Amino acid sequence: NAGVTQTPKFQVLKTGQSMTLQCAQDMNHEYMSWYRQDPGMGLRLIHYSVGAGITDQGEVPNGYNVSRSTTEDFPLRLLSAAPSQTSVYFCASSFSSGTGAPNEQFFGPGTRLTVL
Amino acid sequence: AQSVTQPDIHITVSEGASLELRCNYSYGATPYLFWYVQSPGQGLQLLLKYFSGDTLVQGIKGFEAEFKRSQSSFNLRKPSVHWSDAAEYFCAFTGGGNKLTFGTGTQLKVEL
Repeated sequence: NAGVTQTPKFQVLKTGQSMTLQCAQDMNHEYMSWYRQDPGMGLRLIHYSVGAGITDQGEVPNGYNVSRSTTEDFPLRLLSAAPSQTSVYFCASSFSSGTGAPNEQFFGPGTRLTVL
Repeated sequence: AQSVTQPDIHITVSEGASLELRCNYSYGATPYLFWYVQSPGQGLQLLLKYFSGDTLVQGIKGFEAEFKRSQSSFNLRKPSVHWSDAAEYFCAFTGGGNKLTFGTGTQLKVEL
């Protein structure tokens, strides 16, 4: 049971380049999400998904796209990277909860992205 | 606006001393509250959570937290800190569902 895995661990991009951050989980969790972590700002929600084929925006979605074609995978795409997207990105997953009591979220180890 | 505040950016304690990390929330009802820990270069690990009932909750690694509705607080405590507790600690909440709002974090340094 690998839990939540993220690749790559580190990435350097030039402004304008595109890339996809990969996230996978093997716990059959319906809910998956992406956060970015910046110094002094904690974690902020980018996008989330409550199941395959269903995604929605979080607090800071601009500049990022997501899709959810399978339960296991939830990739995050940067179409045209900007220096403001330099950050550490975390993927998380949990069982779905609807609007009731939340379930524990399990976090991946993170991807450290630098945009020059 | 719904938010969670961690007033202390950095805290330094001596090994063996007690610890209290502060967390205050702003929400119109009783929120679901969490404390997470992030060790250097690692993801986040859940320490404990409060949903309802007993306002003093126990977590892993000897941590506990107390929910105080009158003060809108959910402070994290540990009676005796170990050097391995050095990490960043995040308070988080949700009004329902899995979308979490995180505080800005408190960096804990432990002096030997």
